[in-house]
Amino acid sequence: DAGVIQSPRHEVTEMGQEVTLRCKPISGHNSLFWYRQTMMRGLELLIYFNNNVPIDDSGMPEDRFSAKMPNASFSTLKIQPSEPRDSAVYFCASSPRAADTQYFGPGTRLTVL
Amino acid sequence: GESVGLHLPTLSVQEGDNSIINCAYSNSASDYFIWYKQESGKGPQFIIDIRSNMDKRQGQRVTVLLNKTVKHLSLQIAATQPGDSAVYFCAENYGGATNKLIFGTGTLLAVQP
Repeated sequence: DAGVIQSPRHEVTEMGQEVTLRCKPISGHNSLFWYRQTMMRGLELLIYFNNNVPIDDSGMPEDRFSAKMPNASFSTLKIQPSEPRDSAVYFCASSPRAADTQYFGPGTRLTVL
Repeated sequence: GESVGLHLPTLSVQEGDNSIINCAYSNSASDYFIWYKQESGKGPQFIIDIRSNMDKRQGQRVTVLLNKTVKHLSLQIAATQPGDSAVYFCAENYGGATNKLIFGTGTLLAVQP
């Protein structure tokens, strides 16, 4: 199995630009999670989906952040407009069910100048 | 200016010694626990898990102990190797309506050769 795939691995953009992060979960997994990791706040859950439906988005920082899961094999996390404080590593993870072991992707390192 | 980040607890051990990493969890109703290892520049990687109906589980060179009375979880690594140097996170299934994993802040394990 290829594991969770994320793209891009690195993104550098300027403040105000739109950023889209992509994730392909492990085939057959029904739950998908987006996390943000920073030195200041550690690993934070932003949102998670069960069977492509958003279940808990309480961790999404503000309206500039949005996430979609149009099908079982693809999800996006969008930031519009981006700000320097959004700089972080964003991880996608998937699991067979929400409370099962989560398998993480390699992450996207986002730098907003 | 100087950035202020999370102060990760650090455990420094000599190569070949045994390591014990501790974690206090918060929800007495949690029934599933996982240990993850995160190496620099990578996503968290599953190490071992345990359900609340057990108090001990062993893997290859690793053992997880669960004490539900005091809500304490520990990870023991036998014969620690330089490749074990990483940040270790515990996670608990928080149950409730959203039924998701909650991650701790992590412990940095530094293995001295």
